[in-house]
Amino acid sequence: QLVLTQSPSASASLGASVKLTCTLSSGHSSYAVAWHQQQPEKGPRYLMKLNSDGSHSKGDGIPDRFSGSTSGAERYLTISSLQSEDEADYYCQTWGAGITVFGGGTKLTVL
Amino acid sequence: EVQLLESGGGLVQPGGSLRLSCVASGFTFSSFAMSWVRRAPGKGLEWVSAISGGGGSTYYADSVKGRFTISRDNSKNTLYLQMNSLRAEDTAVYYCAKPSFTNNWFQFDYWGQGALVTVSS
Repeated sequence: QLVLTQSPSASASLGASVKLTCTLSSGHSSYAVAWHQQQPEKGPRYLMKLNSDGSHSKGDGIPDRFSGSTSGAERYLTISSLQSEDEADYYCQTWGAGITVFGGGTKLTVL
Repeated sequence: EVQLLESGGGLVQPGGSLRLSCVASGFTFSSFAMSWVRRAPGKGLEWVSAISGGGGSTYYADSVKGRFTISRDNSKNTLYLQMNSLRAEDTAVYYCAKPSFTNNWFQFDYWGQGALVTVSS
């Protein structure tokens, strides 16, 4: 079964960096994922697609502070130089034939 | 500029029906599969349904299968979600989502602002 696992919460200080993790279920370590940001009271915003080889392609207007990396079944989203507007929920997403699934989301608090 | 604008949300009693619409602009609507995704209060994103560019193929999450129907009118650049037999657990903000490529249904790169559906007596 295709499942994505994310930690429910994370926090980091203004100006610091944070690395969010998304773990693919067993047998699905070759899958690409997409990362989305959802700020309070807004629709989700596409950040990037992250492939199993670590290559990634970002959405329109996504700043260089957002980057992605991969290790095995783990897909990471790193946000550097944290700003107050980065406080949001972050979701990873993957897909197969006729189905797509989201991770449970990570709520990022900027201290 | 790609824009997706949902409408049709509101308060409905359990067992009732509602139809959501999503008007798309800024891309060739008929070339892309489209999806509905929802977020219930206090919960994460949940994919609901998808439809091919021509409308001939559809997919549904198990939680809505048999109760919801996705459709589209390419002449109006509009995506629909007909929701019947609504339950309290269908209460959520519903988003329409567009994929990046015509040959990938689910790599979403644009989202609407959402329509709130509240199922309550």
